[in-house]
Amino acid sequence: DSGVTQTPKHLITATGQRVTLRCSPRSGDLSVYWYQQSLDQGLQFLIQYYNGEERAKGNILERFSAQQFPDLHSELNLSSLELGDSALYFCASRGQGSTEAFFGQGTRLTVV
Amino acid sequence: QQQVKQSPQSLIVQKGGISIINCAYENTAFDYFPWYQQFPGKGPALLIAIRPDVSEKKEGRFTISFNKSAKQFSLHIMDSQPGDSATYFCAARPRGGSTLGRLYFGRGTQLTVWP
Repeated sequence: DSGVTQTPKHLITATGQRVTLRCSPRSGDLSVYWYQQSLDQGLQFLIQYYNGEERAKGNILERFSAQQFPDLHSELNLSSLELGDSALYFCASRGQGSTEAFFGQGTRLTVV
Repeated sequence: QQQVKQSPQSLIVQKGGISIINCAYENTAFDYFPWYQQFPGKGPALLIAIRPDVSEKKEGRFTISFNKSAKQFSLHIMDSQPGDSATYFCAARPRGGSTLGRLYFGRGTQLTVWP
């Protein structure tokens, strides 16, 4: 168990809908990262938050947004969903001064 | 643009054999090179990592070899076991700055170890 909790584990939704994925980082970890894993693109970095502030953006679509709350949990919001958004979404957290990022078990999103 | 290139895409090894997975990168700003192991239905888990100031790091049956001049690094799994069957990802992290901690991943290698 990495200590990073993601909910839900599975999500099936229709095209055009909006979903929210939740991540609770390891206790005390201030940095949260979101990654998308798909068969054709592999693991792609989406966005990073540090102590509530956005720190870096990767290949994140404009239809996607995220935030990190004062209790350090993070949410990834995906809207106007398309079939191609079907993927595994991982959250990772890292402690200050640590090199290692710990990954959650992921949320498998299926858009039908 | 794939910043970290990984090969092979899949690998089948007999139990007791050596599994070798290779990665290459271009960005000289990378200063941390981890390998992650992922089992089906699980998130990636750190296996072993190396910094560019050393050429080799060994932890049990797992060894990273690093060639800074060639910008290549590889994972060797000695005495491969069926329990090692998983997907392996190499990754690289740029030094410092606001992107500290962000990882660039290779496409992954699906390793199957036959008993």
